[in-house]
Amino acid sequence: KQEVTQIPAALSVPEGENLVLNCSFTDSAIYNLQWFRQDPGKGLTSLLLIQSSQREQTSGRLNASLDKSSGRSTLYIAASQPGDSATYLCAVMNSGAGSYQLTFGKGTKLSVIP
Amino acid sequence: GAVVSQHPSWVICKSGTSVKIECRSLDFQATTMFWYRQFPKQSLMLMATSNEGSKATYEQGVEKDKFLINHASLTLSTLTVTSAHPEDSSFYICSARAGGLNTEAFFGQGTRLTVV
Repeated sequence: KQEVTQIPAALSVPEGENLVLNCSFTDSAIYNLQWFRQDPGKGLTSLLLIQSSQREQTSGRLNASLDKSSGRSTLYIAASQPGDSATYLCAVMNSGAGSYQLTFGKGTKLSVIP
Repeated sequence: GAVVSQHPSWVICKSGTSVKIECRSLDFQATTMFWYRQFPKQSLMLMATSNEGSKATYEQGVEKDKFLINHASLTLSTLTVTSAHPEDSSFYICSARAGGLNTEAFFGQGTRLTVV
């Protein structure tokens, strides 16, 4: 059964700092990995999608990497802003057991201090 | 990206009543939609996969008679929580994929259900 772990559970940084969020998964049989942002009481906003054949994806100040063989992904946020404060969720789409289903981590709650 | 709209965003109901939550894909057709439940500070847990024109596929431990799913069209899936109890209070989120099953997932805004 796929398990997704996100470390740290919470992170607080001063505005302007670069930061890295980590995601690890136990089963490398995946179609893709997706990073989401969730604001309190809201749904999920898709940030980046990395296909299993890709190594990284970039969107603005965000860069996500994927190392499928080691079961790891990182989300890099450059020049953090208070508006980046939210919970960031990592999810893998399984291609083995539970095919096409998303397995989520518990998220990293990010606070960017002005 | 594609837009998934969920309604209502919050609802309060009395124990024993039923509540319907709608999930619509606004700018694409979705043959498959997914319903999740999220507890505070926890991951999203898949409840069921909603298939247009056929029965939903429920995950282990999810009561299909309590959580009725109907996927009547390619743009609408509904989740009805029947005979709601306080323990059904939670955050429910739907999701759909604009392309094939292994493409990017888009989520609705979520529905906060409180049963009193």
